[in-house]
Amino acid sequence: GQNIDQPTEMTATEGAIVQINCTYQTSGFNGLFWYQQHAGEAPTFLSYNVLDGLEEKGRFSSFLSRSKGYSYLLLKELQMKDSASYLCAVLNAGKSTFGDGTTLTVKP
Amino acid sequence: DVKVTQSSRYLVKRTGEKVFLECVQDMDHENMFWYRQDPGLGLRLIYFSYDVKMKEKGDIPEGYSVSREKKERFSLILESASTNQTSMYLCASRNGGGAYEQYFGPGTRLTVT
Repeated sequence: GQNIDQPTEMTATEGAIVQINCTYQTSGFNGLFWYQQHAGEAPTFLSYNVLDGLEEKGRFSSFLSRSKGYSYLLLKELQMKDSASYLCAVLNAGKSTFGDGTTLTVKP
Repeated sequence: DVKVTQSSRYLVKRTGEKVFLECVQDMDHENMFWYRQDPGLGLRLIYFSYDVKMKEKGDIPEGYSVSREKKERFSLILESASTNQTSMYLCASRNGGGAYEQYFGPGTRLTVT
């Protein structure tokens, strides 16, 4: 079976750093995605990790530890427009299984 | 830019009606997916397709069927709509090669009364 856990909600202040965690237990693993979804819009791709370690892309970074079944998304220099849901998804045999998402609210 | 379009943003249907949701992508992607998204349940895979005329069941296929007659088009069919199929439906496509990110359409908010 597939089990992916993320916190339901997080709040952070503009300009700060926030880390969104994702833990997973899946029958197979071919990589982990992070997507961003603004309210009423479609998810958009942020990052993909298949090897252990940190992938940095501008203000966003994503980390993976396959042995621990753990990933996090790190958002730096938060902006108001970063208020959105962040979805963790595990790829296995061509299919992605999504977590329920973490709703991040950025406050001034 | 990859573009995935869905036939309707909002749709209201009655219980028992046959419902067609259409999805078209313009990037020649091999793989296409249908999800539904519900509060507290996240994105759940209904069906997916690796190629024309091929389809595979996802995690929640009951009450749904799909059709892929052309590479760019993937249709989701609700044979007899029920109120528990009220949801946001998202279509996605993906290249079949080494690039695994999915591109999502804007979604169809379906209400079954």
